Amino acid sequence: NAGVTQTPKFRILKIGQSMTLQCTQDMNHNYMYWYRQDPGMGLKLIYYSVGAGITDKGEVPNGYNVSRSTTEDFPLRLELAAPSQTSVYFCASSYSYRGQETQYFGPGTRLLVL
Amino acid sequence: QKEVEQDPGPLSVPEGAIVSLNCTYSNSAFQYFMWYRQYSRKGPELLMYTYSSGNKEDGRFTAQVDKSSKYISLFIRDSQPSDSATYLCAMSWMDSSYKLIFGSGTRLLVRP
Repeated sequence: NAGVTQTPKFRILKIGQSMTLQCTQDMNHNYMYWYRQDPGMGLKLIYYSVGAGITDKGEVPNGYNVSRSTTEDFPLRLELAAPSQTSVYFCASSYSYRGQETQYFGPGTRLLVL
Repeated sequence: QKEVEQDPGPLSVPEGAIVSLNCTYSNSAFQYFMWYRQYSRKGPELLMYTYSSGNKEDGRFTAQVDKSSKYISLFIRDSQPSDSATYLCAMSWMDSSYKLIFGSGTRLLVRP
């Protein structure tokens, strides 16, 4: 199993550009999550999904969009990049029953918006 | 006030020391408590998972939860340089869609 994979590893964007961060998991998890991590600030939930076709907002959804057309994939879209979106983005997935809700994280995408 | 408070450190200890890492929280609905370890430029990985109050031990790691004080701890015995990382506490509650609230992380450095 590859676990959770994310692409790209690093990207520089200009203000106003768009991009999609890719996330794929091969563990057949129903639940998937997108976080951003700013220095010294822990992880903030952007969006999450409880299954294909179902998504919901987390704590900091503004400026982002998601879709979940398959169990495996959960891409994150930035439409109009802003410097405030400079961060490290982590995708995670988990089982969907208590006692097994460990979230498995991908390696992260570092994004710099200039 | 943040829901979960964690001292950012850094905490520097000599190899072999006992390390104590702590988080406090304000939401009494939290029932599921986790500790994640994050190495530099990597994603977090789960170390310990505890439900409700009590202790849990796994090798050199012990997790404690005191719900009456809204306080959780992670103890590392015989610390090793390979334990140098950032440690994040995380919490969840029933009917949360398994969402986690994370502390900001404590950076630990174990000196050889």
